[in-house]
Amino acid sequence: AQKVTQAQTEISVVEKEDVTLDCVYETRDTTYYLFWYKQPPSGELVFLIRRNSFDEQNEISGRYSWNFQKSTSSFNFTITASQVVDSAVYFCALSEANTGGFKTIFGAGTRLFVKA
Amino acid sequence: SQTIHQWPATLVQPVGSPLSLECTVEGTSNPNLYWYRQAAGRGLQLLFYSVGIGQISSEVPQNLSASRPQDRQFILSSKKLLLSDSGFYLCAWNGGGYEQYFGPGTRLTVT
Repeated sequence: AQKVTQAQTEISVVEKEDVTLDCVYETRDTTYYLFWYKQPPSGELVFLIRRNSFDEQNEISGRYSWNFQKSTSSFNFTITASQVVDSAVYFCALSEANTGGFKTIFGAGTRLFVKA
Repeated sequence: SQTIHQWPATLVQPVGSPLSLECTVEGTSNPNLYWYRQAAGRGLQLLFYSVGIGQISSEVPQNLSASRPQDRQFILSSKKLLLSDSGFYLCAWNGGGYEQYFGPGTRLTVT
């Protein structure tokens, strides 16, 4: 069965601090996809990134970076030099290829507060 | 570009009343469509998904139903709302990729 665990319920940082959001997943499928979504106070989820199980390259996009490690089944998300606009709930998610991508499992989310 | 609409944005309904939430997608054809519910302070629960007109898969048995009368229209319904149906309802779509794109959501309060 697939499962996504985001152990950090809430994180509070001061602006310009770096912060890492943890995500641990479980799956029996050899081909799967991992995602991060951002949910700002408005409520609409915004897709941030997708990683395929066969591609462990880390990725950087501006102040955002993602560390995918199959050996520890983790897909962590780091925000460098955080800003108040980064305040949101962040969801990690997993979709197994054998479900055709129709069943995406979301973690419980991590609420990030960035104080000015 | 593709856009996804949901309405209404907010809804307050009494227990036992019917429900109809609508979702439409523009700028794409034959999308996969999804309904999720998010309880307060919780993660997302997949309720239904659809790969085409009239094709609905239910993930959670409950008093909700879904229909897809047109290619880019997805409707979530209930004949009689329960208090436990309160939550934030999100519609999403995807095409060739596995990532999903979400609408603005409907906040439902059942009183």
